[in-house]
Amino acid sequence: KQEVTQIPAALSVPEGENLVLNCSFTDSAIYNLQWFRQDPGKGLTSLLLIQSSQREQTSGRLNASLDKSSGRSTLYIAASQPGDSATYLCAVRNQGGKLIFGQGTELSVKP
Amino acid sequence: EPEVTQTPSHQVTQMGQEVILRCVPISNHLYFYWYRQILGQKVEFLVSFYNNEISEKSEIFDDQFSVERPDGSNFTLKIRSTKLEDSAMYFCASSENWGTEAFFGQGTRLTVV
Repeated sequence: KQEVTQIPAALSVPEGENLVLNCSFTDSAIYNLQWFRQDPGKGLTSLLLIQSSQREQTSGRLNASLDKSSGRSTLYIAASQPGDSATYLCAVRNQGGKLIFGQGTELSVKP
Repeated sequence: EPEVTQTPSHQVTQMGQEVILRCVPISNHLYFYWYRQILGQKVEFLVSFYNNEISEKSEIFDDQFSVERPDGSNFTLKIRSTKLEDSAMYFCASSENWGTEAFFGQGTRLTVV
């Protein structure tokens, strides 16, 4: 059974820092992986989708990497801003099509 | 920009009552999903729907749950007889094709009292 784990559970950084969020999954037979942002009490905003055949995907200050064989993905945020404060969720899509989520990393960027 | 919309944003219901949660997926999307998030827990898959049929469902999605696409735009989740443990945020999502990027709505917070 696929399990997705995200570490750390919470992270607080000063504005301007570069940071890395980690996601690991137990079954490497994934179709793709999607990173989301969730603001308190709100929905999920898609940030990046990375296919199982890809190693990296970039969008603005965000860069996601994927190492399928080791069951890991990272989300790199460059030059963090207070507006980046949110919970970041990693989800893997299995061969059946459903997304399996991690528990998220709660990020706080202090001005 | 196209988005998934959900109504209502909040619903309070008494235990044993039926509720219908509504969603309008993005118009050219073919795959529709319901997920839920119990407070403090992971987002978990409930059901996927394609071509007017359930394509996959989780163990949570028992006989108390049903989904429907009653017309060309709406996608609904019905809970027939709500239980306290059904209290959660329910998210609708859609994707253009199988395995492509999923877009989520803002959620409906369901509180069963």
